[in-house]
Amino acid sequence: QQQVKQSPQSLIVQKGGISIINCAYENTAFDYFPWYQQFPGKGPALLIAIRPDVSEKKEGRFTISFNKSAKQFSLHIMDSQPGDSATYFCAASRSSSNTGKLIFGQGTTLQVKP
Amino acid sequence: GAVVSQHPSWVICKSGTSVKIECRSLDFQATTMFWYRQFPKQSLMLMATSNEGSKATYEQGVEKDKFLINHASLTLSTLTVTSAHPEDSSFYICSAKTSGSWHEQFFGPGTRLTVL
Repeated sequence: QQQVKQSPQSLIVQKGGISIINCAYENTAFDYFPWYQQFPGKGPALLIAIRPDVSEKKEGRFTISFNKSAKQFSLHIMDSQPGDSATYFCAASRSSSNTGKLIFGQGTTLQVKP
Repeated sequence: GAVVSQHPSWVICKSGTSVKIECRSLDFQATTMFWYRQFPKQSLMLMATSNEGSKATYEQGVEKDKFLINHASLTLSTLTVTSAHPEDSSFYICSAKTSGSWHEQFFGPGTRLTVL
């Protein structure tokens, strides 16, 4: 119930294409869903996050789509660029937790080919 | 923006020695800090959660006597890997959050530990 399942494990996209990464969760108490980007040898950096009261959030080329009934959310990267090549992690947490602990997905390695 | 630093960025040590890793929030007060461990091509595994001035809460399976965590101030948490062994070689990452930012965690750049 605490797991967040992420797919695909790896993704290759041509420059200018759309990258789509999906996550699914079981615990309906989760109410915060962030996406992190991590480059090799670096710590993760927050890209964008969403709460379940909205179905979509867009920031620049990055969009989160959220489907509460299906317990799924996805990251869309429009006009993918070689600089977007990195590992992406989805995560979830619940405000009823007194620590704000994040549960991470398994990660997706994205390669954008020039 | 909120910046978290870690020191050292990498460390190599001999088996049996102890290593201390520092995590600092540079421009905000971190009421809670988290320590993660990440093996190559794997996700982040939460090791423990620490609140300033109190004992850390360790995740199941993490040896509290081996991974000592101290959160002595609102800007500093330390992780000490005691009697390190080659299997402790990993990428250790800390994150920090404020009491006002309920969910958002700010991550440090990570520390690469290699135990020979």
